[in-house]
Amino acid sequence: NAGVTQTPKFQVLKTGQSMTLQCAQDMNHEYMSWYRQDPGMGLRLIHYSVGAGITDQGEVPNGYNVSRSTTEDFPLRLLSAAPSQTSVYFCASRRGQGGNGYTFGSGTRLTVV
Amino acid sequence: GQQLNQSPQSMFIQEGEDVSMNCTSSSIFNTWLWYKQDPGEGPVLLIALYKAGELTSNGRLTAQFGITRKDSFLNISASIPSDVGIYFCAGRGAQKLVFGQGTRLTINP
Repeated sequence: NAGVTQTPKFQVLKTGQSMTLQCAQDMNHEYMSWYRQDPGMGLRLIHYSVGAGITDQGEVPNGYNVSRSTTEDFPLRLLSAAPSQTSVYFCASRRGQGGNGYTFGSGTRLTVV
Repeated sequence: GQQLNQSPQSMFIQEGEDVSMNCTSSSIFNTWLWYKQDPGEGPVLLIALYKAGELTSNGRLTAQFGITRKDSFLNISASIPSDVGIYFCAGRGAQKLVFGQGTRLTINP
């Protein structure tokens, strides 16, 4: 059981470039979320999904897009990277009804120069 | 948006000491969760609390869901070196999870 898998682990982008952070889970979890972690600010919710075909915005959605075409995958797209998006990004998933806390991936460290 | 205030932000203790940290919110949550994060890893769930007043233990860890549903605390007894890390509280509403800012625990052997 791989759990939640995030790729890549590290990425450096130039301002204005686009890229997709990948997230896949093999636990058949309905709920998936993307968080960013910045020093002293905890984890802030970017976007989340309660099932395939359904996504919604979190606390800090600007500059990011998501889609959920399958239960397993929840990619996060940066359309035009900015230095303010330098952060560590975590994907997480959990069961819907009766699920406990989220299971997190090991993160993607993104630097935008 | 919903805000969680976690304190203290950091703690420096001696091995063997007990640790206490807490989290307060302006909103009511249905579930309180406590996570630990090791360097370079994602947060890992330690304890989940589902009912106001609930007190739950996991080994040397004990957590409580406040009666008002707006707060929670985590205690660690007899700390050991592997307890080092960042501890996060999180409150869960209908669908979203909101995190506190974290408590960084450092232990002097």
